[in-house]
Amino acid sequence: DAEITQSPRHKITETGRQVTLACHQTWNHNNMFWYRQDLGHGLRLIHYSYGVQDTNKGEVSDGYSVSRSNTEDLPLTLESAASSQTSVYFCASSLGGTAKDEQFFGPGTRLTVL
Amino acid sequence: AQSVAQPEDQVNVAEGNPLTVKCTYSVSGNPYLFWYVQYPNRGLQFLLKYITGDNLVKGSYGFEAEFNKSQTSFHLKKPSALVSDSALYFCAVRDSDRDDKIIFGKGTRLHILP
Repeated sequence: DAEITQSPRHKITETGRQVTLACHQTWNHNNMFWYRQDLGHGLRLIHYSYGVQDTNKGEVSDGYSVSRSNTEDLPLTLESAASSQTSVYFCASSLGGTAKDEQFFGPGTRLTVL
Repeated sequence: AQSVAQPEDQVNVAEGNPLTVKCTYSVSGNPYLFWYVQYPNRGLQFLLKYITGDNLVKGSYGFEAEFNKSQTSFHLKKPSALVSDSALYFCAVRDSDRDDKIIFGKGTRLHILP
């Protein structure tokens, strides 16, 4: 069955380190998204991609970057981790081509920055 | 700008009773509306969506939602609550007439009391 996976599921790192969170989907979806979930804020969009070589900033993109070299993967990189980036990160994908499509979410990565 | 509001942080319902989780939205064009559910330590799962047509939309696990254009609402409902319905519920909206991203509400925690 098609799925969307994230790794690692849990990560503890130190302030200033570079961290990369992986997201892999086998739906063959064009669109991929990264969100962070924090208490009181719900889901906030970090970056998104509508296809290979396409990346766009979301509402909370500072300190994060993504790259899309193939359809299946959209890794999220924290250039220099900060304590404010402690959060649960979710990757999602959707078919693309229309605004009607629902998103499919991965299981999440819990990141702690000490 | 588009926005979505879930006015209740938490809703408590006795098992077997009907439940309603409220959602209101604001878009400049026609809305595409979505409901998602999140169980503990899991990603969001799609429940149902309104695109066009019948105002009453049926989805997974016996849930349904009613689109009310005059009240700009899309409340989630279920006739008889189960303890297993206890979870975090997110409403989301996208403006069909604009190339904007989907916007999620902050979530409503539903507690079904046995």
